[in-house]
Amino acid sequence: DVKVTQSSRYLVKRTGEKVFLECVQDMDHENMFWYRQDPGLGLRLIYFSYDVKMKEKGDIPEGYSVSREKKERFSLILESASTNQTSMYLCASRRGGGTQYFGPGTRLLVL
Amino acid sequence: RKEVEQDPGPFNVPEGATVAFNCTYSNSASQSFFWYRQDCRKEPKLLMSVYSSGNEDGRFTAQLNRASQYISLLIRDSKLSDSATYLCVVNKRNTGNQFYFGTGTSLTVIP
Repeated sequence: DVKVTQSSRYLVKRTGEKVFLECVQDMDHENMFWYRQDPGLGLRLIYFSYDVKMKEKGDIPEGYSVSREKKERFSLILESASTNQTSMYLCASRRGGGTQYFGPGTRLLVL
Repeated sequence: RKEVEQDPGPFNVPEGATVAFNCTYSNSASQSFFWYRQDCRKEPKLLMSVYSSGNEDGRFTAQLNRASQYISLLIRDSKLSDSATYLCVVNKRNTGNQFYFGTGTSLTVIP
């Protein structure tokens, strides 16, 4: 059974805090992705990675960074959280152009 | 212009009804097409891939029209459990195999 896990389901942080969101997949997928999902805007790609230590900017990378030190783990970092980063964050992984599997999501509230 | 456009709905239909969703995509280079389903406060999950010749999975039928650049999803004999948001997804290999998600169409099946 495929599995993508995220470190937290719910997070509450204060403006200016550094926030780490962790994602782990157990399917040996080379591709991993971070999205945010907001009402009316759908899923927007923040960053993605095709291999270890490799990263590419998505559509909305500003205010975020990522780290992929191991194949199974892809971390999203909010360097200095702001209220407009309150959102649902979804991690995903896939092999090639196949099925994309999502984690359960992290609901982040920045106060 | 958005890569993928969907009517957000909501679609409210009685049990047993047939309902159809359309999705248009902007780039003729798009090569793979999918429908994902997302339940309230859950992650998106693959419902079905869409093949050029059209394909069926039980009560669900997906079709692709490359000339007009749209895909469709038909649900027959709607069940209460079909209530969800349906996301149209398009893959363009010439952009590094990136998936583009529509904002989703909301379906509520009413008893």
